[in-house]
Amino acid sequence: NAGVTQTPKFQVLKTGQSMTLQCAQDMNHNSMYWYRQDPGMGLRLIYYSASEGTTDKGEVPNGYNVSRLNKREFSLRLESAAPSQTSVYFCASSDSGVGTGELFFGEGSRLTVL
Amino acid sequence: DQQVKQNSPSLSVQEGRISILNCDYTNSMFDYFLWYKKYPAEGPTFLISISSIKDKNEDGRFTVFLNKSAKHLSLHIVPSQPGDSAVYFCAASATGVTNAGKSTFGDGTTLTVKP
Repeated sequence: NAGVTQTPKFQVLKTGQSMTLQCAQDMNHNSMYWYRQDPGMGLRLIYYSASEGTTDKGEVPNGYNVSRLNKREFSLRLESAAPSQTSVYFCASSDSGVGTGELFFGEGSRLTVL
Repeated sequence: DQQVKQNSPSLSVQEGRISILNCDYTNSMFDYFLWYKKYPAEGPTFLISISSIKDKNEDGRFTVFLNKSAKHLSLHIVPSQPGDSAVYFCAASATGVTNAGKSTFGDGTTLTVKP
């Protein structure tokens, strides 16, 4: 099983450009998440989707939009990239309320905005 | 206002000794805590968790202790191995296991285990 797959792994953008980060999971999880990690800091929740058809804002949603395309896929879009959005982005999924409720993370997407 | 704090950015221990990683929290609504481990260029992976109804949870070499009155938890690794060298994140949830995915994370502690 691939688990959680994110694309692209690396991207360089110019200020004002747009892009979409793609994420897919093959674990049949209901919930999916987008986190960002800045240097020397922990992970901060951008958006999450508790189940197919629903999305909600997390701690740092400004400048982002998301789409829960189906149960497997959850994309993150930057409409007009800013240097402050330079970060490593992690997609994650979980089987909420089951077992430990742990997050399963993708390998991350490193985004640089010039 | 950082609700989950890992005050030691780094920790270095000798192979075979005990590693103790600490985490403090300020939000008394947190009732479920998790530890994740992260290697460079990889996503974090789950290590161990503990509910606020317990004060200890053990899994092999890893034990997490929770002191609710002090709002403090710690992760003990015994014995430490070079492969344990990684960044360790403490995370806390205010809605138990149900929404553990929406946890608040600390900034992480980089553990280095020397051979």
